[in-house]
Amino acid sequence: QTVVTQEPSFSVSPGETVTLTCGLSSGSVSTSYYPSWYQQTPGQAPRTLIYNTNTRSSGVPDRFSGSILGNKAALTITGAQADDESDYYCVLYMGSGIWVFGGGTKLTVL
Amino acid sequence: EVQLLESGGGLVQPGGSLRLSCAASGFTFTSFAMTWVRQAPGKGLEWVSSISASGSSTYYTDSVKGRFTISRDNSKNTLYLQMNSLRAEDTAVYYCAKCSGSTKRDAFDIWGQGTMVTVSS
Repeated sequence: QTVVTQEPSFSVSPGETVTLTCGLSSGSVSTSYYPSWYQQTPGQAPRTLIYNTNTRSSGVPDRFSGSILGNKAALTITGAQADDESDYYCVLYMGSGIWVFGGGTKLTVL
Repeated sequence: EVQLLESGGGLVQPGGSLRLSCAASGFTFTSFAMTWVRQAPGKGLEWVSSISASGSSTYYTDSVKGRFTISRDNSKNTLYLQMNSLRAEDTAVYYCAKCSGSTKRDAFDIWGQGTMVTVSS
């Protein structure tokens, strides 16, 4: 069973740039996995940030960007703000209609 | 405005059944695949099931295969999840999500607010 890996937690200072990653327990992530990224604050529904590797969802500011870095998918937040403090989840397409989420990264902005 | 409104959640005993509904509006429902994602209390997101735009193809995570059935009524712009043989580990908030396109490779772009399902005696 392939596991989708994310950093459990990350801390960033306001105004700094942070890159969260999404990998595989076995193998490399490529665009063929159609990586997508979601932001969720406690008690709220997820909000889509990025889908299909680097397509920004409607209304998402351009300081959020998606890419492939090395063997992982990446979400970069340029100029972190206090209200970026959230949980971030990636999801990968595994083929045959199957999607698998990563365990999520809790981002702290302080 | 694109909207997804889930309903049908509640408290059910182990072994029981529930049917979740998701009413869609603000977009051409027949052009997009749809998905159910759940989140157990204090846990991360888990993909549950997806259905193609036409409804002819369905996909499930292994833990719900044979127990859950996803379907859609394109005449009513409504997505369903029939959940049978429910277990305690199915306890979660269930989110309905619109996919960004019509195919199985299109990820989720719009989310509903979720409906809580609690399986307990």
